[in-house]
Amino acid sequence: DAKTTQPPSMDCAEGRAANLPCNHSTISGNEYVYWYRQIHSQGPQYIIHGLKNNETNEMASLIITEDRKSSTLILPHATLRDTAVYYCIVRLHTTGANNLFFGTGTRLTVIP
Amino acid sequence: DAGVTQSPTHLIKTRGQQVTLRCSPKSGHDTVSWYQQALGQGPQFIFQYYEEEERQRGNFPDRFSGHQFPNYSSELNVNALLLGDSALYLCASSSPGQGQDTQYFGPGTRLTVL
Repeated sequence: DAKTTQPPSMDCAEGRAANLPCNHSTISGNEYVYWYRQIHSQGPQYIIHGLKNNETNEMASLIITEDRKSSTLILPHATLRDTAVYYCIVRLHTTGANNLFFGTGTRLTVIP
Repeated sequence: DAGVTQSPTHLIKTRGQQVTLRCSPKSGHDTVSWYQQALGQGPQFIFQYYEEEERQRGNFPDRFSGHQFPNYSSELNVNALLLGDSALYLCASSSPGQGQDTQYFGPGTRLTVL
């Protein structure tokens, strides 16, 4: 079962930063926070993941609060191609128990 | 470096028929997971294969079965198709035993049951 809460939809102006929140108040100490996105009818695309520290890669930044009960995915300069459904998932890195539970995600619309 | 590939892209079947979907994992990955995504919903986990055996299974009936081959590729079989089996079927690969826990997804197979 999904253990995260995300707003169903958000808008962002092109060129501005998109900040997508995720609540995971029941996260356990060894669960990672993962973000994927899915552009219409395509397979989900991995974006970033983290355990405790903030993470950054070429696609996005992940900010995890100190108590790890929530996180924010930041797309620094949103483009029209970032319009997608974004999924926040918490999961273990344990062999045999590492499948992904997807919720309904946040539909991000980037507006020209 | 080839990513995850799936075939076919689209498939149309009628109720009661059987279908086989195929997946080739990303190079270097040995674990394959299958997901079903109904229209407007998030993907749901079906099962995971490692070392040619089913290691985990979600809440899906026995009509859904799978197989993994020695080259790590995998098949998903669905028997006695129902209208409700119409969905996008996604394959994801990883290699958690080698520290590569991130699952990478293929483009999916769109199955339509008439």
